[in-house]
Amino acid sequence: ETGVTQTPRHLVMGMTNKKSLKCEQHLGHNAMYWYKQSAKKPLELMFVYSLEERVENNSVPSRFSPECPNSSHLFLHLHTLQPEDSALYLCASSQDRATVETQYFGPGTRLLVL
Amino acid sequence: QKEVEQDPGPLSVPEGAIVSLNCTYSNSAFQYFMWYRQYSRKGPELLMYTYSSGNKEDGRFTAQVDKSSKYISLFIRDSQPSDSATYLCAMRQGGSEKLVFGKGTKLTVNP
Repeated sequence: ETGVTQTPRHLVMGMTNKKSLKCEQHLGHNAMYWYKQSAKKPLELMFVYSLEERVENNSVPSRFSPECPNSSHLFLHLHTLQPEDSALYLCASSQDRATVETQYFGPGTRLLVL
Repeated sequence: QKEVEQDPGPLSVPEGAIVSLNCTYSNSAFQYFMWYRQYSRKGPELLMYTYSSGNKEDGRFTAQVDKSSKYISLFIRDSQPSDSATYLCAMRQGGSEKLVFGKGTKLTVNP
């Protein structure tokens, strides 16, 4: 067990739906990340939170909206997604941003947009 | 030119073989180099981490960085079926927290 959990593990949604992905880390880390992993493409960093403050947004479309209510929880709110948004969404955490290499990943949420 | 190039494979080897996985990169400012292993239906986990050039060994795994050639390698000795996974290289510049990943190489070790 990595100490980072994600729910749901699988999600199917229509383009008009609104859903949320949840991530929880039990490691006492201060930095949390959202990544997108698509088939045949490199892992893409989406958002970085440090001490609950968003510090990076890598040109992610506004249909993805992150939320970090406290240092242990991270959400990704989804609305009016496109089929090309189908991917594995990974959450990760690290002690702080400077130790990003040692980040722990969750198992991911497999998202399918119809 | 992509910042990081990694052959996606798939790579299939018999048990006991020596496996060589490689990445090339274009950004000479990269200083930190990582290898992650990702099992099916799991998130990536850090396997090896190297700063600047040189070799690093951990059990059956050896990571090499050649900054002059912009080339990194991961060697797996005496490969086992449990090594079957996708291996991702990643790197970053000093002073930046952004990791740039390769596409990953899928490895299967056959018993």
